[in-house]
Amino acid sequence: EPEVTQTPSHQVTQMGQEVILRCVPISNHLYFYWYRQILGQKVEFLVSFYNNEISEKSEIFDDQFSVERPDGSNFTLKIRSTKLEDSAMYFCASSDPGTGAGSQYFGPGTRLTVL
Amino acid sequence: DAKTTQPTSMDCAEGRAANLPCNHSTISGNEYVYWYRQIHSQGPQYIIHGLKNNETNEMASLIITEDRKSSTLILPHATLRDTAVYYCIVRVEVGGGNKLTFGTGTQLKVEL
Repeated sequence: EPEVTQTPSHQVTQMGQEVILRCVPISNHLYFYWYRQILGQKVEFLVSFYNNEISEKSEIFDDQFSVERPDGSNFTLKIRSTKLEDSAMYFCASSDPGTGAGSQYFGPGTRLTVL
Repeated sequence: DAKTTQPTSMDCAEGRAANLPCNHSTISGNEYVYWYRQIHSQGPQYIIHGLKNNETNEMASLIITEDRKSSTLILPHATLRDTAVYYCIVRVEVGGGNKLTFGTGTQLKVEL
């Protein structure tokens, strides 16, 4: 069964450094998403992406964040200058409009630790 | 998207049916009911969704009341691996790109 993959599984970085989190969505999906979950808190939406542009973003997704689909398979989340409060699990998801945009398939997540 | 209310936690014996309720009394006519679950620290997993008819797939059944103000997710034969947080999400079904808004869900513990 096809699945969303994410790398790395765990990233440790120093405050102020840039990080790039990588995702490979399911191959025939057209909508891509990033969510995050701070330890012990709810899963929060960050951004959705379709047709090479952002379709929706949350208040969390400020100028420090950017997303890109650099080729036909990868989808990346960049945090330019990490803060301590960016420490969280980051989940990538994708969906196929044919089966319903609410049916999003999530990857296993990247645990980001900012020191 | 309509607000949902779920119990904070539930227990279920292994092999028995787990019935997880969700209230969504302010649901509107074009909003679907989605269920996801999250096994500890893993990514959320889509389970099932429906509009007004009952739905069944290989994972679960979804029963939606006739007035659509509440629904129940049924895991027919719960196993230890079904221990997870279960989220009921109500949202409009549009072409795509719409966010999922997760609440706190129901922590289901399946025990021997």
